[in-house]
Amino acid sequence: DVQLLESGGGLVQPGGSLRLSCVPSGITFRNYAFSWIRQAPGKGLEWLSAISGSGGNTYYADSVRGRFTVSRDNSKNRLYLQMNNLRAEDTAVYFCAKDNMVASYWGQGTLVTVSS
Amino acid sequence: DILMTQSPSTLSASVGDRVTITCRASQRISNWLAWYQQKPGKAPKLLIYKTSTLESGVPSRFSGSGSGTEFTLTINSLQPDDFATYYCQQYENYPCTFGPGTKLEMK
Repeated sequence: DVQLLESGGGLVQPGGSLRLSCVPSGITFRNYAFSWIRQAPGKGLEWLSAISGSGGNTYYADSVRGRFTVSRDNSKNRLYLQMNNLRAEDTAVYFCAKDNMVASYWGQGTLVTVSS
Repeated sequence: DILMTQSPSTLSASVGDRVTITCRASQRISNWLAWYQQKPGKAPKLLIYKTSTLESGVPSRFSGSGSGTEFTLTINSLQPDDFATYYCQQYENYPCTFGPGTKLEMK
């Protein structure tokens, strides 16, 4: 069974930073691209970023380009989302998902709250 | 960026009904469209990709169609488990954008 487990969410002040992690299981990690998608409270889904299996190709939504960085460590089977200069509007549940475009499997999400 | 719209935003229906949700793209996306189902407090679940290909394990009462800029998700014979919010997503190019969602509620 494919499972993805996110961690690293929490409360952070505006302008602060946070790093999310995602650990997939049940798959050969390095063979797959992954995405990050978020959902603000009571709102719809927003695709944020994707990374290729090698990590050599990354993609971002305009709303986070320059502030967020996706990366992966294939030796540790971990996916990351480094989030800098956080704003109140970044408050959301952040999901990691298998595959870079069609999200075939999703984690349960981790909540990020940006507030003073 | 490609803008996705969905209609209706809310749909009231009863068990056994046939319902259709429409998704429109601001530019042609060929058949690079997916549909997801989300229940409150849960992660979305992939239902359909490439417009009409059912993800493994998804009941056959779900179907998708369309091309270009207009797409539909149809659910035949609604079941109690189908009441949820449905999102379309284009993946013609990055960024992959989602529609705003259609909440399917019980009449």
